[in-house]
Amino acid sequence: AQSVTQPDIHITVSEGASLELRCNYSYGATPYLFWYVQSPGQGLQLLLKYFSGDTLVQGIKGFEAEFKRSQSSFNLRKPSVHWSDAAEYFCAVPSGGQNFVFGPGTRLSVLP
Amino acid sequence: DTAVSQTPKYLVTQMGNDKSIKCEQNLGHDTMYWYKQDSKKFLKIMFSYNNKELIINETVPNRFSPKSPDKAHLNLHINSLELGDSAVYFCASSQGLAATDTQYFGPGTRLTVL
Repeated sequence: AQSVTQPDIHITVSEGASLELRCNYSYGATPYLFWYVQSPGQGLQLLLKYFSGDTLVQGIKGFEAEFKRSQSSFNLRKPSVHWSDAAEYFCAVPSGGQNFVFGPGTRLSVLP
Repeated sequence: DTAVSQTPKYLVTQMGNDKSIKCEQNLGHDTMYWYKQDSKKFLKIMFSYNNKELIINETVPNRFSPKSPDKAHLNLHINSLELGDSAVYFCASSQGLAATDTQYFGPGTRLTVL
């Protein structure tokens, strides 16, 4: 069965610093991979997704992620974090159609 | 012009009661979902409906019964509420069932069972 791990439960960065959130997946073939963000008290919003092709994908809000098959990873990055990026971030992979498996989430705190 | 809306946003109730959460999407999507997010933020799918037909029914107690009166609505009814039902429940929708279809989430309903 597909699974997703996010090794970091909580990350704190200073505003303006760069960010990398880790995601590892377990999947037999090339997976579809997604990153969602959940702002406090809100639902999840899609940041970006990878299906095939270029392994570096651009998303909204200045985020990007890189698919690395050799490492079974799909890490999310942002060169300069803003205070409004403080949120919970979820990596996800579909397990049969639209039956998504979500990672446990990484909470991002941003220091002024 | 909210895409996926849920009511109520907060729901506080006593054990043993029956309650419903409503969800509506105005995106014209064919597929809708219910997710449960526990206190540790773990998000797990409960149900999905496509064109009013049940597609996914994860291991959820039969006290939970989804109802889809039309493609734009998917309501969740919960009987005999238990303490462990306390969670945030999210509704979502997607164009179809393809793994490549983006899911759009509602703002969530925080259910507290006392």
